[in-house]
Amino acid sequence: GNSVTQMQGQVTLSEEEFLFINCTYSTTGYPTLFWYVQYPGEGPQLLLKVTTANNKGSSRGFEATYDKGTTSFHLQKASVQESDSAVYYCVLGETSGSWQLIFGSGTQLTVMP
Amino acid sequence: GGIITQTPKFLIGQEGQKLTLKCQQNFNHDTMYWYRQDSGKGLRLIYYSITENDLQKGDLSEGYDASREKKSSFSLTVTSAQKNEMAVFLCASSIAGQGAETLYFGSGTRLTVL
Repeated sequence: GNSVTQMQGQVTLSEEEFLFINCTYSTTGYPTLFWYVQYPGEGPQLLLKVTTANNKGSSRGFEATYDKGTTSFHLQKASVQESDSAVYYCVLGETSGSWQLIFGSGTQLTVMP
Repeated sequence: GGIITQTPKFLIGQEGQKLTLKCQQNFNHDTMYWYRQDSGKGLRLIYYSITENDLQKGDLSEGYDASREKKSSFSLTVTSAQKNEMAVFLCASSIAGQGAETLYFGSGTRLTVL
């Protein structure tokens, strides 16, 4: 079946450091991949979305590239800010008819001032 | 823009109690969802509905009922609350569905069962 793996439960950085959050996925279909971000007290919101057609997405300084060979969809940001502190979810969707999104377990990012 | 409103924000129940959570959206979206969020486990789908009066079970539907009487509203019932249960229930909507659409989430209902 489909699955998403985020191995990093928590990441702690100082401001202006480089962010890298690991995500790998498994699917037999044609994936659409998302990163959602959840700030304290709020629901998750879309950060960026990538399909097999465009391979790479970016938003608010964050980037993610879909790599079919390694089935990875890592999230990166060159220089984090304290306001980036949140939980980040890697999410797998399919366009082959499945209505269910598969959420990774989430990575709590804490950015120290 | 639109908004998803979940009520109540906090819900405290007793073991064995039936509890109902409500969700309203003004996006005019066709599809609505209920997810359960547990610490360290991501989000798991309980029920979804692709149109008014439609209900589809997710992976976590056991112990829950849902109702979509209007396009704009989707309610979830915990049929028998489990002692010491703590979770956040998130409602979401999307234009259509099929795994490629953006979901718009409410801020959640936090459930505590004593």
